Amino acid sequence: AQSVTQLGSHVSVSEGALVLLRCNYSSSVPPYLFWYVQYPNQGLQLLLKYTSAATLVKGINGFEAEFKKSETSFHLTKPSAHMSDAAEYFCAVSEPGNQFYFGTGTSLTVIP
Amino acid sequence: EAGVTQFPSHSVIEKGQTVTLRCDPISGHDNLYWYRRVMGKEIKFLLHFVKESKQDESGMPNNRFLAERTGGTYSTLKVQPAELEDSGVYFCASRQRLGNYPGELFFGEGSRLTVL
Repeated sequence: AQSVTQLGSHVSVSEGALVLLRCNYSSSVPPYLFWYVQYPNQGLQLLLKYTSAATLVKGINGFEAEFKKSETSFHLTKPSAHMSDAAEYFCAVSEPGNQFYFGTGTSLTVIP
Repeated sequence: EAGVTQFPSHSVIEKGQTVTLRCDPISGHDNLYWYRRVMGKEIKFLLHFVKESKQDESGMPNNRFLAERTGGTYSTLKVQPAELEDSGVYFCASRQRLGNYPGELFFGEGSRLTVL
């Protein structure tokens, strides 16, 4: 069975500070992993994806995530937060032939 | 290329009434999904179409929910009669499988349903 846990429903960082959003997953087979972002009044937009190639994945807007099998984690990071990064972020897991399962989301606030 | 579109963006109805949500997927995407998010909770799977066939409807809450995808193009999700706990944002997503890779989901902006 698949599941996703996002630690911290709300995260606040200062502008220019490191962004770290945590995601742990459970999967019985090597999974595909995704981070999506939702800006206010918009749909979910793909940030980045892990598809069993490089373990460090780079996405849009300077975000990246590292797949760590031993820790069953796929944390999202950005070295320097920008005001425009304020949004809700969702981690998702999918096994081949199976559905996508999402976490509860983490709302990121960027403090000027 | 047009993205996934959903209509209406917001619907306010009274308990016991009927609401129909519509989703137009990206052209050529055989896979269409419905998800729901209740405030503060996870985005929860409702069902999955492959073309016009229901591949998986294990997430449908009960028989008050009816989804269709006639002709394998747009899909509708009807809630009849609506209950208070049906309130939430209903997302539609589509994807196209690429070999063994499932393909990422492309989401619409969601239909917010408020049941009073």
